[in-house]
Amino acid sequence: GAVVSQHPSWVICKSGTSVKIECRSLDFQATTMFWYRQFPKQSLMLMATSNEGSKATYEQGVEKDKFLINHASLTLSTLTVTSAHPEDSSFYICSASVTQNTEAFFGQGTRLTVV
Amino acid sequence: GQNIDQPTEMTATEGAIVQINCTYQTSGFNGLFWYQQHAGEAPTFLSYNVLDGLEEKGRFSSFLSRSKGYSYLLLKELQMKDSASYLCAVRDRGNYQLIWGAGTKLIIKP
Repeated sequence: GAVVSQHPSWVICKSGTSVKIECRSLDFQATTMFWYRQFPKQSLMLMATSNEGSKATYEQGVEKDKFLINHASLTLSTLTVTSAHPEDSSFYICSASVTQNTEAFFGQGTRLTVV
Repeated sequence: GQNIDQPTEMTATEGAIVQINCTYQTSGFNGLFWYQQHAGEAPTFLSYNVLDGLEEKGRFSSFLSRSKGYSYLLLKELQMKDSASYLCAVRDRGNYQLIWGAGTKLIIKP
């Protein structure tokens, strides 16, 4: 199947700093990528849809100025958590599909801990 | 509204069979997916149904009835490594987005 690589796998940062998470499709081009957040024992929560060459579409309740998404190429999308707070600590996962009718492939996820 | 329901937790015995149900109510339908997620890891794809019927893949099978808004994931010959959360997701028509259920935590006992 298609491979989506996410980096870093885990990161610890201080409150007030920013953290960038990368999501790459290694063997296919992804016009659209999705960013999810998952808290312990909860399901995936869609944060935003990342569209190559255009602005991301954010879900209701997700602050676009806090969670900056850049989809500069067909193989790379980045999520930057700005001015991180401890409540931003979570598991962040990206996904992409090869086409509209194929399954979503997930990156490995990034465990963010803000101290 | 969009709604996907699946049991929160199930327990089964190693070597047995378990069926995890999923019911959905969505504005559109363009396929139903099952994913497996181990704690602390990203989901991995298990199966995809877009037409009614049963799809079999090794020890795992998935069934879909679009008229009933119903699917199940059947796991046979359970192994301890099958202990995980199983997520049901429906793709809305016309876009790539997946609508996710809360997941079913499956506990396998020896």
